[in-house]
Amino acid sequence: DTEVTQTPKHLVMGMTNKKSLKCEQHMGHRAMYWYKQKAKKPPELMFVYSYEKLSINESVPSRFSPECPNSSLLNLHLHALQPEDSALYLCASSRDRKSNEKLFFGSGTQLSVL
Amino acid sequence: GQNIDQPTEMTATEGAIVQINCTYQTSGFNGLFWYQQHAGEAPTFLSYNVLDGLEEKGRFSSFLSRSKGYSYLLLKELQMKDSASYLCAVQNNAGNMLTFGGGTRLMVKP
Repeated sequence: DTEVTQTPKHLVMGMTNKKSLKCEQHMGHRAMYWYKQKAKKPPELMFVYSYEKLSINESVPSRFSPECPNSSLLNLHLHALQPEDSALYLCASSRDRKSNEKLFFGSGTQLSVL
Repeated sequence: GQNIDQPTEMTATEGAIVQINCTYQTSGFNGLFWYQQHAGEAPTFLSYNVLDGLEEKGRFSSFLSRSKGYSYLLLKELQMKDSASYLCAVQNNAGNMLTFGGGTRLMVKP
């Protein structure tokens, strides 16, 4: 199994809603990542978890709250989002955070904030 | 900081060869990745270079010159399915943090 699975694939939410994005991998990877990608732009790193601990937060607003319940799961909790937060949210994993470890990406959640 | 430049768009003909360039200026360097991304899909790994030189993998090759801050991805015998965005990403010294370039959208025409 070399897949990173993200759910849901599409999400539409209002600015007062609370929702969660989910990511799962069963490759035994110990590093997991959240990226945000706007249309025709490159992915931008949001958070990095290493061995279930948050190791990097790229100055992301608190309306995005990551959670890593175990080594296979990564969540992104969303609350009070703005329309400009509409984007493709990509989860990725790698064996660990050492050099040359390629990232495996999920197919993303396309988020629209109304 | 990181500055990674790629051409925004390229067009090539089926069966031809195309070279996609990437130049970078980064505060630390631990390797360079190339990813392919079809519209609406996840990026998929193509190649990794950490030493100077050419890495060949089937129809795809990637070259790196660390002294020049330069890489290219070479695609041979182009197929229609190669139409996609190609992302150059630099890994910094902090360990597996990737910074992506803006991506090059390649259109392959018959």
